[in-house]
Amino acid sequence: DGGITQSPKYLFRKEGQNVTLSCEQNLNHDAMYWYRQDPGQGLRLIYYSQIVNDFQKGDIAEGYSVSREKKESFPLTVTSAQKNPTAFYLCASSTLRVGNSPLHFGNGTRLTVT
Amino acid sequence: DQQVKQNSPSLSVQEGRISILNCDYTNSMFDYFLWYKKYPAEGPTFLISISSIKDKNEDGRFTVFLNKSAKHLSLHIVPSQPGDSAVYFCAAIVRISGNTPLVFGKGTRLSVIA
Repeated sequence: DGGITQSPKYLFRKEGQNVTLSCEQNLNHDAMYWYRQDPGQGLRLIYYSQIVNDFQKGDIAEGYSVSREKKESFPLTVTSAQKNPTAFYLCASSTLRVGNSPLHFGNGTRLTVT
Repeated sequence: DQQVKQNSPSLSVQEGRISILNCDYTNSMFDYFLWYKKYPAEGPTFLISISSIKDKNEDGRFTVFLNKSAKHLSLHIVPSQPGDSAVYFCAAIVRISGNTPLVFGKGTRLSVIA
């Protein structure tokens, strides 16, 4: 079955540590995205990538970094510079024309930083 | 500045009745609109979409209406079922300009009461 896999489902870290969230897709989609969900805030875009080795900042990129070395993979690193890292993180992918194929989401990673 | 607004954070509806979820947008360039449904601790799933050249799209119990002059769209669910209880996100995109990311509203939590 084609889909998007995010791992792990739950992640706990101490403040000051960097942490990397995994996202893999086997849908052969060119574009991949990272969103963050907070209560009452909806889905806010962190980073997105339309092609391997290229990515763009979204609305809330500060404190995050990404890489896109392979088409299938788009890991997100939450750095110690992110002031409020505790959140539910969602990875998504799509074809280059979203209208032809709506965004497909993974099941998310809940990160808790204490 | 929020380009996609869902002004009702929550909505309760009796089972069997109609649920109407509303969404307003400010960017007149948006030409494609989508609704996503999200259960807790899961990723959003695509529900229904509408192009700006249409004013209505129907899929089973779900109908989306678009009023371009008012920059307003609504999702109707009839009859509502307990399994429809979820958070519903409205999203929009300027499809004609290429693969710009979806812009999401903050979501409306629908509770269908048996």
